[in-house]
Amino acid sequence: GAVVSQHPSWVICKSGTSVKIECRSLDFQATTMFWYRQFPKQSLMLMATSNEGSKATYEQGVEKDKFLINHASLTLSTLTVTSAHPEDSSFYICSALTAGQYSNQPQHFGDGTRLSIL
Amino acid sequence: GENVEQHPSTLSVQEGDSAVIKCTYSDSASNYFPWYKQELGKRPQLIIDIRSNVGEKKDQRIAVTLNKTAKHFSLHITETQPEDSAVYFCAAETGFGNEKLTFGTGTRLTIIP
Repeated sequence: GAVVSQHPSWVICKSGTSVKIECRSLDFQATTMFWYRQFPKQSLMLMATSNEGSKATYEQGVEKDKFLINHASLTLSTLTVTSAHPEDSSFYICSALTAGQYSNQPQHFGDGTRLSIL
Repeated sequence: GENVEQHPSTLSVQEGDSAVIKCTYSDSASNYFPWYKQELGKRPQLIIDIRSNVGEKKDQRIAVTLNKTAKHFSLHITETQPEDSAVYFCAAETGFGNEKLTFGTGTRLTIIP
């Protein structure tokens, strides 16, 4: 149980392109999803917290107009990297919390999306 | 906000020996501490977690200890095997409406056959 699917797993595109990444909870409902970015040989850095039906909460230093997050249903959150540039190349990972679960419960991670901007 | 430090950044141990990774956190309100194992290009996998109401938890070859007073927690892997080679991350969460995780910087563990 608690499977999170992330799509696409790998994308290469030209500079200036917008890229959408999907994060789906397959067998549970998720009121809260998180988006992380991980550069090579570095840790996971939280970009934003996505709550179903409300605006995402962005971490300090993350441009909300560049990284658009939509969490329109209890099973889907999307991250759109707008006008991507080479410095946006990274490994993007989502995670989800089961709806209604108490605090201090494990987050369920997706497989990640490797984004390469040429 | 929370700050999590992790040491060492790299660790090599002989197969069969034990490995210990240590983390410290800054926010005394943090009360949930998971450990993740990540292989190259893969998702982080939860290997063990501990909540602040216990001081130690063990699952087969893996154990975690927590010292709330000192604000540090440690991962212990005994009888290491080559498949234990990976990057390990500790994390801390405050919870109670703030479920976001703050990750440590990671430890690259290499098991030498």
